[in-house]
Amino acid sequence: DGGITQSPKYLFRKEGQNVTLSCEQNLNHDAMYWYRQDPGQGLRLIYYSQIVNDFQKGDIAEGYSVSREKKESFPLTVTSAQKNPTAFYLCATSVKGPPYEQYFGPGTRLTVT
Amino acid sequence: QQQVKQSPQSLIVQKGGISIINCAYENTAFDYFPWYQQFPGKGPALLIAIRPDVSEKKEGRFTISFNKSAKQFSLHIMDSQPGDSATYFCAASIGHSNYQLIWGAGTKLIIKP
Repeated sequence: DGGITQSPKYLFRKEGQNVTLSCEQNLNHDAMYWYRQDPGQGLRLIYYSQIVNDFQKGDIAEGYSVSREKKESFPLTVTSAQKNPTAFYLCATSVKGPPYEQYFGPGTRLTVT
Repeated sequence: QQQVKQSPQSLIVQKGGISIINCAYENTAFDYFPWYQQFPGKGPALLIAIRPDVSEKKEGRFTISFNKSAKQFSLHIMDSQPGDSATYFCAASIGHSNYQLIWGAGTKLIIKP
């Protein structure tokens, strides 16, 4: 079954704790992305990676970190430096080049109290 | 210049009616314009996409109309059904430089039975 797996679906953490969100894909796509979605708002890009061992900051990278040690995996760590971490986090993948479609995982809803 | 402006923010349409969502952009270098559909608690999924060399693309009940001179594109949903109730996002990208998508803010569509 091909696709993108994000785990867990729901995650609860106390303020001040770092938390890592998992994203795994078996689509053999080169590029991977992390987005944040807040209620009633669009998608904001946190980080993206076009190739293993390389990644770039998106529009809202502060307070987040990523790694891309394997093509299949792109974990996102939400650090205690992120002021408002409660949100819906979406991982996406795409092939390099056209047609540029991004495929999304089911998302992880993170709640920090 | 990198923005994509989407309207309306929310839309209520009677079953069987036509739903119309509009997007406008400034950057004439954009060359790929997808529409994504998102159901609550799920990741977005590509619905239909268009390139600027065509003025219209139709897939079933969904049509993208593209006006290059006005720098606008719109999604039309014909014979709208309650199952179409979702949030719709337009996006744009410049394929030759990178493949980051610039997202609209989304339109929450409700189809009333």
